[in-house]
Amino acid sequence: KAGVTQTPRYLIKTRGQQVTLSCSPISGHRSVSWYQQTPGQGLQFLFEYFSETQRNKGNFPGRFSGRQFSNSRSEMNVSTLELGDSALYLCASRVSRGNTEAFFGQGTRLTVV
Amino acid sequence: AQSVTQLGSHVSVSEGALVLLRCNYSSSVPPYLFWYVQYPNQGLQLLLKYTTGATLVKGINGFEAEFKKSETSFHLTKPSAHMSDAAEYFCAVRVNNNDMRFGAGTRLTVKP
Repeated sequence: KAGVTQTPRYLIKTRGQQVTLSCSPISGHRSVSWYQQTPGQGLQFLFEYFSETQRNKGNFPGRFSGRQFSNSRSEMNVSTLELGDSALYLCASRVSRGNTEAFFGQGTRLTVV
Repeated sequence: AQSVTQLGSHVSVSEGALVLLRCNYSSSVPPYLFWYVQYPNQGLQLLLKYTTGATLVKGINGFEAEFKKSETSFHLTKPSAHMSDAAEYFCAVRVNNNDMRFGAGTRLTVKP
């Protein structure tokens, strides 16, 4: 069974641009969560999607948004990029919301210049 | 609010020595606790988890952790370190019904 797939693995963008990151969960998994990892702030929860609906959101500005499709694939979008958005963005999938085990993808390394 | 604190941002051990990575939690309800490992430029891999039941939890790669409610701790141990154990380790607690709050991480270095 394939693991969580995140694309692209690496991305370089310019300040002010927008970016879309993709996450394909493990087959049969319906819950997808996104995390931002930076050296200064560590791992921070962005949001969670289940059945195409955002179920929970972390403390991030509205520039960060996401969505989930009917096949459970999820995308996150960051608009008006800032230098501080440079980070490793990780996606995690679960079978369902109540399931305790989350499986992480390898992440997308975003660099904003 | 549920949270975890990892004591020591860097731990260095010699190959073959005991590995001990410390994690204390704060939770008003019985916690679900996790240890994850992250290798450079990789995602997180689950080492082990505590939900309910046995307080000594065995994980992959020879790691184990003991849930101690009286000490609000969930320390990760491995009897004998291997060079391949060098990585960053994160303790996490499940928040509400869905996601996790992570500790700041502990970078483990293994010296030959």
